[in-house]
Amino acid sequence: SAVISQKPSRDICQRGTSLTIQCQVDSQVTMMFWYRQQPGQSLTLIATANQGSEATYESGFVIDKFPISRPNLTFSTLTVSNMSPEDSSIYLCSVTDSLDYEQYFGPGTRLTVT
Amino acid sequence: AQKVTQAQTEISVVEKEDVTLDCVYETRDTTYYLFWYKQPPSGELVFLIRRNSFDEQNEISGRYSWNFQKSTSSFNFTITASQVVDSAVYFCALSEFMDTGRRALTFGSGTRLQVQP
Repeated sequence: SAVISQKPSRDICQRGTSLTIQCQVDSQVTMMFWYRQQPGQSLTLIATANQGSEATYESGFVIDKFPISRPNLTFSTLTVSNMSPEDSSIYLCSVTDSLDYEQYFGPGTRLTVT
Repeated sequence: AQKVTQAQTEISVVEKEDVTLDCVYETRDTTYYLFWYKQPPSGELVFLIRRNSFDEQNEISGRYSWNFQKSTSSFNFTITASQVVDSAVYFCALSEFMDTGRRALTFGSGTRLQVQP
């Protein structure tokens, strides 16, 4: 199984600023996913991050707002840009295992925008 | 497009009662995977089970059991003799291949289970 860590675990940010969330996996994985969970809601896929190529964004999410980097097979970052209170959510990093069956989640980053 | 429906928003039971969480899904693929995750108040997602579309055998793990029925597109989850520690939000999720070949999860809206002592 993959062990995923995320930094920071939580943060309180001011409106208009940006925050970069880091996701580190203890093994090499092909695909990494970023999800958002707004308060009291389910998880929504933001984008898929493949190493060496641009991230693929879901409908409603754009690169200017959520730029993603994937410099190698164990690491990715998600930036939440020009934040507003509506961006207050838990952001989760996720990976699939080598056989592409299980999907593992990081502990999440709890973001509050004031 | 795939879709997962968890019609039960919140369920409250008394400890030791059995409880079933419903999950209905929609997909056009013949190959897909179904998952259940638990999210306790601490917020982390805990993987409970994965089932592929070709395996309709029901599964039991301790107090947990899952009933997969392709004929009704359902993947229900039963907790027997519930305990206070079972209090959490439970998510059903579906995974299929997307147009780019990648696999991502579509989550249901979740069911909040409250187990009263």
